[in-house]
Amino acid sequence: DQQVKQNSPSLSVQEGRISILNCDYTNSMFDYFLWYKKYPAEGPTFLISISSIKDKNEDGRFTVFLNKSAKHLSLHIVPSQPGDSAVYFCAASILGSSGGKSTFGDGTTLTVKP
Amino acid sequence: DTAVSQTPKYLVTQMGNDKSIKCEQNLGHDTMYWYKQDSKKFLKIMFSYNNKELIINETVPNRFSPKSPDKAHLNLHINSLELGDSAVYFCASSQGPGSQPQHFGDGTRLSIL
Repeated sequence: DQQVKQNSPSLSVQEGRISILNCDYTNSMFDYFLWYKKYPAEGPTFLISISSIKDKNEDGRFTVFLNKSAKHLSLHIVPSQPGDSAVYFCAASILGSSGGKSTFGDGTTLTVKP
Repeated sequence: DTAVSQTPKYLVTQMGNDKSIKCEQNLGHDTMYWYKQDSKKFLKIMFSYNNKELIINETVPNRFSPKSPDKAHLNLHINSLELGDSAVYFCASSQGPGSQPQHFGDGTRLSIL
């Protein structure tokens, strides 16, 4: 039962253009969503998050959009830079729930070409 | 100064052996986690401890036993290793149970021969 899905295993964009990474979820109880970035041989690092009471959160070049009715979120990176090349994981959780369990998608590998 | 550190980074061993992976966090967090990333790249939670108490125990074989001597440490011991245990194991921590985000270590790549 895969509750969080990232349907694009990979994405390639040109430097300076927009990168859009997508994530779908099935559990309507999820109320907090995060994006993590992972470089090879390193652990995931937190990038940006959004609560279900919002539909947009912005942090510099990174913006996360949440569409609750569609159970869909997306991460926009503008402008994309070669250093953004990494695997991006979407995660969903029920904030404050016992244990703080996060359910992760299987990642999208972003390649930004110079 | 590494916030969440795991040792060893790589572990190659024979089927049937017993091995341990150690994790330490210096963030002052109360909650720690173990995740398994298999060949399909999913990060799946295995265990979570809050202040040395087990609070999440997903469907994991009994061969896996976490131990938390204090809230800054969460070790993972695996008995009778099997081929299917080959994966990358990530330790993580967060301020408290239910709080986000989580801070991850760099992973331990376990390979079973």
